[in-house]
Amino acid sequence: QSVLTQPPSASGTPGQRVTISCSGSSSNIGSNTVNWYQRLPGTAPKLLIFDSKQRPSGVPDRFSGSKSGSSASLAISGLQSEDEADYYCGAWDDSLHAYVFGSGTKVTVL
Amino acid sequence: QLQLQESGPGLVKPSETLSLTCTVSGGSISTTTYHWAWIRQPPGKGLQWIGSISYYGSTYYNPSLNSRVTISADTSKNLFSLRLSSVTAADTAVYYCARHIVAVSDFDHWGQGTLATVSS
Repeated sequence: QSVLTQPPSASGTPGQRVTISCSGSSSNIGSNTVNWYQRLPGTAPKLLIFDSKQRPSGVPDRFSGSKSGSSASLAISGLQSEDEADYYCGAWDDSLHAYVFGSGTKVTVL
Repeated sequence: QLQLQESGPGLVKPSETLSLTCTVSGGSISTTTYHWAWIRQPPGKGLQWIGSISYYGSTYYNPSLNSRVTISADTSKNLFSLRLSSVTAADTAVYYCARHIVAVSDFDHWGQGTLATVSS
């Protein structure tokens, strides 16, 4: 199983706010920055959030990241149909000496 | 604009070696700021970081794959490669190459991915 734990699914209606959690430990999220990736159907993953809460150029400000202790969250406000995708968190793990990903959360727009 | 493109055989026999290449355009791999990584996603499963290589050629791998993985780079051709030995069906996956920003440990540019199937 994945080192970082995410809920398998999340959903909301257009315009709603959806939050995805990512739970880790002191060796990964607790001591390193968290990144979030969006994978739209049939496409490669895209960096959505880096350094726990920074957005790359071109990413809408509807997407926001936060981190507290060994957990992190991705929030999507004003949910849109094009946000329907798989979302993955990731972080470096100092104990495993490896970059680890979460199991992924499928977001459905109802 | 930076682009990465994976290439290689789509079918590999069990116990053989999987070899993939990532050709980088729109930017040089010979920079100290970035490392270059391989990541895979088996069907129906999550993402797994395989390993990364720096401009200087130093490599670091996922310990779970360490004994079977080799990543190398050819700066003259602006590409880097993956070799995974002794493959089994469990190695069937979409393989992505990506640019790795070590400072914040993220992957900010990805190739489109290539499916490698292990089957006799």
